[in-house]
Amino acid sequence: QQPVQSPQAVILREGEDAVINCSSSKALYSVHWYRQKHGEAPVFLMILLKGGEQKGHDKISASFNEKKQQSSLYLTASQLSYSGTYFCGTEYSGAGSYQLTFGKGTKLSVIP
Amino acid sequence: ETGVTQSPTHLIKTRGQQVTLRCSSQSGHNTVSWYQQALGQGPQFIFQYYREEENGRGNFPPRFSGLQFPNYSSELNVNALELDDSALYLCASSRPGQPVSTDTQYFGPGTRLTVL
Repeated sequence: QQPVQSPQAVILREGEDAVINCSSSKALYSVHWYRQKHGEAPVFLMILLKGGEQKGHDKISASFNEKKQQSSLYLTASQLSYSGTYFCGTEYSGAGSYQLTFGKGTKLSVIP
Repeated sequence: ETGVTQSPTHLIKTRGQQVTLRCSSQSGHNTVSWYQQALGQGPQFIFQYYREEENGRGNFPPRFSGLQFPNYSSELNVNALELDDSALYLCASSRPGQPVSTDTQYFGPGTRLTVL
């Protein structure tokens, strides 16, 4: 079952912050975040495992709320280079599989 | 760059034809997954190959088939092409025997397939 991402699209001015959410109706084992620019391959950002961890590097961080089966990606002090479509890919608990199920994406546009 | 390469970059076919797409995984990776990404959508899992065996399959019909070779490169074959098969086809490689929960998948640039 596909995770639900929100918002579908967001426009930011440089320096503003954004939060992108990824929710699942099934128990999650891990959440993977990717950014894809137009015409390019998705680029890995980070993995979060169940257990409610939080990760971050530079000005992009993420959290995983196991109780809510939700992950959030935080982009602070956005830069023009942050523009692109952000996807969460989820791995479900007990699935015994090695596949990721991706949401429909959140299109982020950062303008000067 | 991830070190994952795909060929060709673009391809145009007509309905009913067959197509073969190729993927070379990143050095040291022996697991390859294939995804279909329709315009404006997230990637959708087709199947995965690990040590030359299919290791999981998504909700795609049997006319989507694959192979993995001893050097871990992989092919995706699609028979009897339909208009809805038009999409970006991505392959992703990952490290030996690791579930995605411990290591992520690294995507290639994709092959854009157009079916007329």
